[in-house]
Amino acid sequence: DGGITQSPKYLFRKEGQNVTLSCEQNLNHDAMYWYRQDPGQGLRLIYYSQIVNDFQKGDIAEGYSVSREKKESFPLTVTSAQKNPTAFYLCASRPAGTYNEQFFGPGTRLTVL
Amino acid sequence: GDSVTQMEGPVTLSEEAFLTINCTYTATGYPSLFWYVQYPGEGLQLLLKATKADDKGSNKGFEATYRKETTSFHLEKGSVQVSDSAVYFCALTSNAGNNRKLIWGLGTSLAVNP
Repeated sequence: DGGITQSPKYLFRKEGQNVTLSCEQNLNHDAMYWYRQDPGQGLRLIYYSQIVNDFQKGDIAEGYSVSREKKESFPLTVTSAQKNPTAFYLCASRPAGTYNEQFFGPGTRLTVL
Repeated sequence: GDSVTQMEGPVTLSEEAFLTINCTYTATGYPSLFWYVQYPGEGLQLLLKATKADDKGSNKGFEATYRKETTSFHLEKGSVQVSDSAVYFCALTSNAGNNRKLIWGLGTSLAVNP
């Protein structure tokens, strides 16, 4: 089955540690996205990539980093510089084309203790 | 810039009631419009979409019509079920240029009681 995989579903880290969230898709989509979701705040875009080896900052990129070495993979690193990292993180991908909905993974809930 | 405004929740209904969740937008060009649904603890799923004026998107009993004259894309369902309890997001993407980001509303939480 084609889809987007995020792992793990729940992640706990100590304050001051970097942590990498995984996102893999086998849909052959060109574009991939990372969002952060906090209660009552909707979705906020962290980073996005429209093609391999290229990515752009979204609205809240500070304290995060990404890479896009393969079409299928778009890992997100939450660094110790991110002041409030506890949140629900959603990865999405989108096929090429004009009328372009995004397809979402199941999300990773990160809790920093 | 482009923006989406949707009605604040939470919305609480009894089973079989009629549902309307309002969504209005501001955009340059001719955006595509989407409704996504998020069930508790899960990612978002596309519920329906419309890509040009007067298009009606529909799925699972939900409908929304792309109204360019009122810049609206209200979500409706004639008879809600308990299983429709979720958060609903309205979104748009501009079809101009190479920037294919989605612009999101803040979401509307729906609770349906038996």
